[in-house]
Amino acid sequence: IVLTQSPGTLSLSPGERATLSCRARHSVSSRYIAWYQQKPGQAPRLIIYGASSRATGIPDRFSGSGSGTDFTLTISRLEPEDFAVYYCQQHGSSPLFTFGPGTKVDIK
Amino acid sequence: EVQLVESGGGLIQPGGSLGLSCAASGFTVRSNHMSWVRQAPGKGLEWVSVIYTGGGTFYADSVRGRFTISRDNSKNTLSLQMNSLRPEDSAVYYCAREGDCAYGSCYSLESWGQGTLVTVSS
Repeated sequence: IVLTQSPGTLSLSPGERATLSCRARHSVSSRYIAWYQQKPGQAPRLIIYGASSRATGIPDRFSGSGSGTDFTLTISRLEPEDFAVYYCQQHGSSPLFTFGPGTKVDIK
Repeated sequence: EVQLVESGGGLIQPGGSLGLSCAASGFTVRSNHMSWVRQAPGKGLEWVSVIYTGGGTFYADSVRGRFTISRDNSKNTLSLQMNSLRPEDSAVYYCAREGDCAYGSCYSLESWGQGTLVTVSS
């Protein structure tokens, strides 16, 4: 299983829209795709599961979409607290969880 | 409130052994699939091991035969025994709870501890 994420870094201003891409090598069921947010010195936090369902407490400016090999995390209007690294994840057989290399969303 | 607190990290020489522990509260460890995930300094996330509700275990190729995951139901804790440690095992180790399929969040890690740092160096 290999996941690629693009871009590596996304430089945006608060209030702008962020679109993050995750691509799997082979087609995967959307139920196996999740997204995490990680801020410096903190543990990852689940944002999206099942490709498009928001985790508990996640604001609705976060949305996930996609199918097959291409999945997207969209942040409709960036808030200051959204600047972080975002990882996509695929659940598989071996390894059980595979993470992409991450996209850093930083302040322009 | 769900809480996971890891402990046991530290500096260890190559070839040495170290045991990590993860204390859970707000839920029952034996009723959830539990994983360890690690993150080398400045790097991405790497899944390490899982223990299923039924007790079965599974490991990443990079640690199979050296690491052992277990749980103590009476103490509601998760453990990771790490033997034959290598410099490339240096990382922050997180314990994490897999989501509940009853709520649709399985196949993702919905709760994480704050992590414990393991440094393998002479």
